[in-house]
Amino acid sequence: DIQMTQSPSTLSASVGDRVTITCRASQSVSNWLAWYQRKPGKAPKLLIYKASSLESGVPSRFSGSGSGTEFTLTISSLQADDFATYYCQQYNSFSVTFGQGTRLEIK
Amino acid sequence: EVQLVQSGAEVKKPGESLKISCKTSGYSFISYWIAWVRQMPGKGLEWMGMIYPGDSDTRYSPSFQGQVTISADKSFSTAFLQWSSLKASDTAMYYCARLTGDGAFSIWGQGTMVTVSS
Repeated sequence: DIQMTQSPSTLSASVGDRVTITCRASQSVSNWLAWYQRKPGKAPKLLIYKASSLESGVPSRFSGSGSGTEFTLTISSLQADDFATYYCQQYNSFSVTFGQGTRLEIK
Repeated sequence: EVQLVQSGAEVKKPGESLKISCKTSGYSFISYWIAWVRQMPGKGLEWMGMIYPGDSDTRYSPSFQGQVTISADKSFSTAFLQWSSLKASDTAMYYCARLTGDGAFSIWGQGTMVTVSS
């Protein structure tokens, strides 16, 4: 099984900040990497797929980069609506793994 | 509009069986993998497994192999997740989600809360 490790586990930031979340895979997943936003009581929302492609309807302040084993999700200017938990997810050979999540808190 | 609508919340006793459902609409059911994802209280997302309704090919996470059964009914465009003997540790929110060709879950059900308590 491919393991996905996110860092940090918790991130405190303010509205307007630029934040970056990192996701590392235990082996290469090429660019089969997605990012999700999850808010309490709601299903996860896809933000980024194929490491850097922005899902339709997602604000352009969200961006993704990376390939192989190291990936990042960047929010260029935090908005109040962005405080949530973020997960990375890999897909490889009919198997899926999620990272453990990064909780983005208001400082 | 593509939709995944899950069955309602369940409260069960340990040892009981359960089958929850994910009814799909708005697309060709047989053409996309449907996965099940668990979120235990206060924990992260866990992929349990998925099924390709077109040929019933089913893949499980090693953590869930033998613990649950994933199935699909093409006639009703519905996927299922079932347990033969529930445990208290099965208490969680369960989501179904559709896998895109890009390896991501773009559409999710609203979730089914399963509570197992004596």
